[in-house]
Amino acid sequence: DAGVTQSPTHLIKTRGQQVTLRCSPKSGHDTVSWYQQALGQGPQFIFQYYEEEERQRGNFPDRFSGHQFPNYSSELNVNALLLGDSALYLCASSLRRATNEKLFFGSGTQLSVL
Amino acid sequence: AQTVTQSQPEMSVQEAETVTLSCTYDTSESNYYLFWYKQPPSRQMILVIRQEAYKQQNATENRFSVNFQKAAKSFSLKISDSQLGDTAMYFCAFMSGSARQLTFGSGTQLTVLP
Repeated sequence: DAGVTQSPTHLIKTRGQQVTLRCSPKSGHDTVSWYQQALGQGPQFIFQYYEEEERQRGNFPDRFSGHQFPNYSSELNVNALLLGDSALYLCASSLRRATNEKLFFGSGTQLSVL
Repeated sequence: AQTVTQSQPEMSVQEAETVTLSCTYDTSESNYYLFWYKQPPSRQMILVIRQEAYKQQNATENRFSVNFQKAAKSFSLKISDSQLGDTAMYFCAFMSGSARQLTFGSGTQLTVLP
C-alpha cells in the first residue's frame, strides 16, 4: 500500500519563476492538504482540496494556487516566486468521512528560490 | 485563531531514560484534537500519538504517552525507555473539530544519547 508520494524531491528556481509541485494521496484517501515548512519552523497550512475544490485556505497570498484531479492527486502552484518561498512543502492526505482525524504526510518537496 | 507553543527548542536524554516534551495551546473551541508528530531527518512527518479533547483518559501508544490537562491547555509527551531511533524533531499540533487543518508548534529537537 503506497503512502503519500510527492514529486519532485528537490527543486531550484529563480525569483519570478513559477513552480508546480505534485502529490499522490495514500490509497483510499480523498482529501489533500498542503503545508509550507520554513527552515527551523513548524509547518503552516496552505489549503485543502476535496472533491476537486478548495475547501479551506490558510493565510497565503493568491500566488499560491492548487488543483485536485478526479483520481484525488493534487498540484500546488506558486507564481512569481519570492526568496521567502524557499521551504519544504508537505502534502498530507486523509479520508473525509473518517472520524479519526489522522493525516498521513509525504516526505515533501524542498524548494529553493535563488 | 488557535496557537500552539513549544517552549523547549532542544532537549537531550540518555538511551533507556524517560523524557517529557512540553506543549501548551490556546483555543476557544470545545471540540478539538491534539497530536504529536515526529519528523526525522528523512523529513516525513510521522504521527506519534493523538488525543481527543472530549476524552479524559490520556492516550498511550507503546512507549509514548501524553499528559492532557484540558483546563490548563497543556499537552505534554512522555517517551519512556528512549531509543536512538527516537532522535528527531517533535511537533505538537492542534486540529479543531470544525476545520480539518493542523496548527503546529515550532518544534522540539530531541536527541537520544548512547
